[in-house]
Parts: sequence; structure tokens; C-alpha cells
Amino acid sequence: QKEVEQDPGPLSVPEGAIVSLNCTYSNSAFQYFMWYRQYSRKGPELLMYTYSSGNKEDGRFTAQVDKSSKYISLFIRDSQPSDSATYLCAMSLNSGGSNYKLTFGKGTLLTVNP
Amino acid sequence: GAVVSQHPSRVICKSGTSVKIECRSLDFQATTMFWYRQFPKKSLMLMATSNEGSKATYEQGVEKDKFLINHASLTLSTLTVTSAHPEDSSFYICSAIPRGVVNEQFFGPGTRLTVL
Repeated sequence: QKEVEQDPGPLSVPEGAIVSLNCTYSNSAFQYFMWYRQYSRKGPELLMYTYSSGNKEDGRFTAQVDKSSKYISLFIRDSQPSDSATYLCAMSLNSGGSNYKLTFGKGTLLTVNP
Repeated sequence: GAVVSQHPSRVICKSGTSVKIECRSLDFQATTMFWYRQFPKKSLMLMATSNEGSKATYEQGVEKDKFLINHASLTLSTLTVTSAHPEDSSFYICSAIPRGVVNEQFFGPGTRLTVL
């Protein structure tokens, strides 16, 4: 079993739809959970960062972490064509410094159609 | 925001040659930089952790003699792929943690390596 599982998609939705992206993980020691957005041939950029269980909202984006189920989600409201990208979940045991190693999911390719 | 650059963005080389990839933090100092590789439709896989002024720490299964990492200054880390082979063809991405920042890595734009 891989440490982090993420459905690679592709996922295609119409503009304005609510998008739900998910990851599951096996290592219960993960404490820090991130979502990154990666455009084609570019490096990832951080969208959301969450520590432990709970919800976090930032504009049209909401991140949820359920540590009991080892399940994290990213919701995108009112999706826009500019949201079309690959979304990667990432997790870490620790924060800061050289111990801040990230374990990534495969990424989900999202296309938002105008 | 914090900007990380990589050079070159794309390189094509012959089998058996060595290729150097640079990772620079443009507007901040980074005591720690990470090197990842990404295959098509695959996760980013951490290769090594690079700390300024000390030897890099490699992940299990990564050959340190093949992937030489040098973190010469607080703004520059280099990855040299020695005696490259076609199976080394991949997308190599670096990231950096600004000094004093706890919870975020800033990623470079990546380098596409193709070994013929």
C-alpha cells in the first residue's frame, strides 16, 4: 500500500461547479497536510496548509482533514477555467527545517471548461 | 513572495555525460533545499535534502554517487547527474525553505532532463 493515494483523474467539470479532490493515507503519524497546485511544466505552489484535523477556508478553497479516517479533501467553489491544473496533496510528519519532508500524492488533473 | 529559480529549464544530453542543474533562492536565504524528481503521471519523489555547508542527506534508493548535490551558499544548491542514462530522464524540481519560516517550501519551476 502506498503511503498516499490520490486518484489521478482526469477530472473535467463545467465552470462554476464545486470540485472535490481527495487523498487517503496510511501513516497515522502525518501531522501536516498541504494542497499544492501545479500548472503544466511548472513547479508546485502551495494552496492550503492544515495542521491536524479540521477545516480551513481561504476564499473559494476549503481544506478538510479527518485524521481518524486518514482522509483529506480540497473543495473548490465556483470553479474557474484558471483553476485548471494538477492538484497534489502532500503530507509531513514534522514542520520546519531539514525534517520538513513532504510525501506527495500522484496529483489529480483538473480541467474546468468555460 | 519567495521566488526559486532553476537553470536550465530544459536540457537534452547524450548518454554517459554529466548534467548540472542549479537551484537558486532569489529573494531569500535558504538553509535547507530539497531535490525531487517527477515522472509523468507520478508523484514528486524526494531524492535528497540539502543543507548549506554540510553533506546532503539522500533518501533510500537514491544513489549519492550518481546524483551529486552541493549546497555551496545560502542561495544556491546544485544537482549533478553523473554519467546520465535514458532512465534518468525526468522532471527535476527543487524547493527551498526560507530561513525562519516553518511551514512552507517554495518550489522552483523544474528542469526537464532528457537523456538520449
